[in-house]
Amino acid sequence: AQKITQTQPGMFVQEKEAVTLDCTYDTSDQSYGLFWYKQPSSGEMIFLIYQGSYDEQNATEGRYSLNFQKARKSANLVISASQLGDSAMYFCAMREDSGGGADGLTFGKGTHLIIQP
Amino acid sequence: NAGVMQNPRHLVRRRGQEARLRCSPMKGHSHVYWYRQLPEEGLKFMVYLQKENIIDESGMPKERFSAEFPKEGPSILRIQQVVRGDSAAYFCASSLGRLNEQYFGPGTRLTVT
Repeated sequence: AQKITQTQPGMFVQEKEAVTLDCTYDTSDQSYGLFWYKQPSSGEMIFLIYQGSYDEQNATEGRYSLNFQKARKSANLVISASQLGDSAMYFCAMREDSGGGADGLTFGKGTHLIIQP
Repeated sequence: NAGVMQNPRHLVRRRGQEARLRCSPMKGHSHVYWYRQLPEEGLKFMVYLQKENIIDESGMPKERFSAEFPKEGPSILRIQQVVRGDSAAYFCASSLGRLNEQYFGPGTRLTVT
């Protein structure tokens, strides 16, 4: 079973609109972390936002916020007031803290977001 | 305030040659992770190292791949006798601790001809 599922392979959004990128996850760990990364066409991986499983508040970083719904195991990324420079691949990732599995992050397949003027 | 450094950025090797990829973590970070990204896919974890120790290599292919993070100097991912299927982007990330955010380098794009 997929541990991280991103159901939107591609999205087109008008500039200045808000965008929601979906991410659901699967884990039996009680303690885990959820991450979003941006990968522009230049190829680097840019850290955007982090949510810990025990954090009660949704994480926010500037125009990025993470809509964390623990019971539904979803961690959607919301980008407010989208800009042309937001066009990129976006990856959701999870770290499981129990120590029983791999120590690295598990990534979804990504969503290709294109912002149209 | 340098970030994670990787070199080379692009590497071309013929089948059967060796590839050496280097990663210098962010200042103060002693935890290093290597990931591989095949075209049109997300990143796949390969190995997690701390200084002089391999902590988790569950994502590493059993043959031809090795990694090290010596006391002095960068972390090295070594691929012996490369094959076309090794063509990919290889990313290194570093963190302060296992439960801290991982910051990624720019990646090394390996092409095997």
